[in-house]
Amino acid sequence: AQKVTQAQTEISVVEKEDVTLDCVYETRDTTYYLFWYKQPPSGELVFLIRRNSFDEQNEISGRYSWNFQKSTSSFNFTITASQVVDSAVYFCALLGASGSRLTFGEGTQLTVNP
Amino acid sequence: AAGVIQSPRHLIKEKRETATLKCYPIPRHDTVYWYQQGPGQDPQFLISFYEKMQSDKGSIPDRFSAQQFSDYHSELNMSSLELGDSALYFCASSAGTNTGELFFGEGSRLTVL
Repeated sequence: AQKVTQAQTEISVVEKEDVTLDCVYETRDTTYYLFWYKQPPSGELVFLIRRNSFDEQNEISGRYSWNFQKSTSSFNFTITASQVVDSAVYFCALLGASGSRLTFGEGTQLTVNP
Repeated sequence: AAGVIQSPRHLIKEKRETATLKCYPIPRHDTVYWYQQGPGQDPQFLISFYEKMQSDKGSIPDRFSAQQFSDYHSELNMSSLELGDSALYFCASSAGTNTGELFFGEGSRLTVL
């Protein structure tokens, strides 16, 4: 069975603050993929990143960075210098190699206040 | 680049009516997935198809059926609609299964009154 836990239901920050969204996962697969998606109020799922289980390198893309640690089964997402446009629900998701379905976490509602 | 196309984007139905959602995958993608996202919930996997055959099945109600056609587009048919079926329905496509390269459409929002 696969499980993704996003313990933070809601986070509220002031613009320009850094914020980290936590994601912890469980899977028996040795090969798997981890994802982060952004869902703005308009509803679409915006792909942010995909990581496979063999690539533990951290990644930075502009103000976004991801910290993948297999030892703790975590794949955390940090937004540096947050902006109001970052306000959205963020989902962490897991795709195991033994299956074809994505398992989503419950999402974290991020609100960035001006 | 072409993305996954879903139609209609918005749909309003009455209870006990029938609704059909369509999904057109990215060209050359042979796998289609359907997800349902209720208000304030995370997306839940419903069903997937690979090369026009059902490849996996999740929490899809018996009132729902789906298929993938010869041109790889897929349709999700929902009958005897209930208020609880009001949700965002996402379609995603990939080239093969388990590739990790999954592309989502913008979703179809179904409201059941």
